[in-house]
Amino acid sequence: GAGVSQSPSNKVTEKGKDVELRCDPISGHTALYWYRQSLGQGLEFLIYFQGNSAPDKSGLPSDRFSAERTGGSVSTLTIQRTQQEDSAVYLCASRFGIANTEAFFGQGTRLTVV
Amino acid sequence: KQEVTQIPAALSVPEGENLVLNCSFTDSAIYNLQWFRQDPGKGLTSLLLIQSSQREQTSGRLNASLDKSSGRSTLYIAASQPGDSATYLCAVYNYGQNFVFGPGTRLSVLP
Repeated sequence: GAGVSQSPSNKVTEKGKDVELRCDPISGHTALYWYRQSLGQGLEFLIYFQGNSAPDKSGLPSDRFSAERTGGSVSTLTIQRTQQEDSAVYLCASRFGIANTEAFFGQGTRLTVV
Repeated sequence: KQEVTQIPAALSVPEGENLVLNCSFTDSAIYNLQWFRQDPGKGLTSLLLIQSSQREQTSGRLNASLDKSSGRSTLYIAASQPGDSATYLCAVYNYGQNFVFGPGTRLSVLP
């Protein structure tokens, strides 16, 4: 596709439910990042995939959060047993390679836990 | 641990003014620095990427400079327009790691 695509654009879920957020990176981009932006806050790193290397999961806030990237392309961020503090905009970005290339962001998924 | 700050936090200017946004980072061993804009409720739009070996990059009315040794970057916007109103974010990239973002500068350009 022309850009990074995220779905759904909006998700309202009840506390305690599991949710899956999807990111389709730009074709051919080897690096994929997930960030979270809470209301009025800055961007918080969650997880980083680079090619076939083990992902950098150092930003995941708890073991309720997990992510995978299948076939080096699409990525899914899963949040189990959602809590109200999980409400935020989840942003995905991709870039080609690991060096001096631009990163491009999707429009984000706005998650609201009620 | 890399830390990124941006000054000012918010800025309001009349249309037509030239303005400068500042970004500072603590670890100068960066690979590149990227400037983004974010409109309310939207994702991030890439504006400029400066590689560590470069001093500046230009795109239209935007000019970004990088002084890696002092840990600073500036984004210069010439002849500002109301459509430039947005939050501007800088992000630094250390090799093989994730991006570290600054908190952003919220810009309002008044007609």
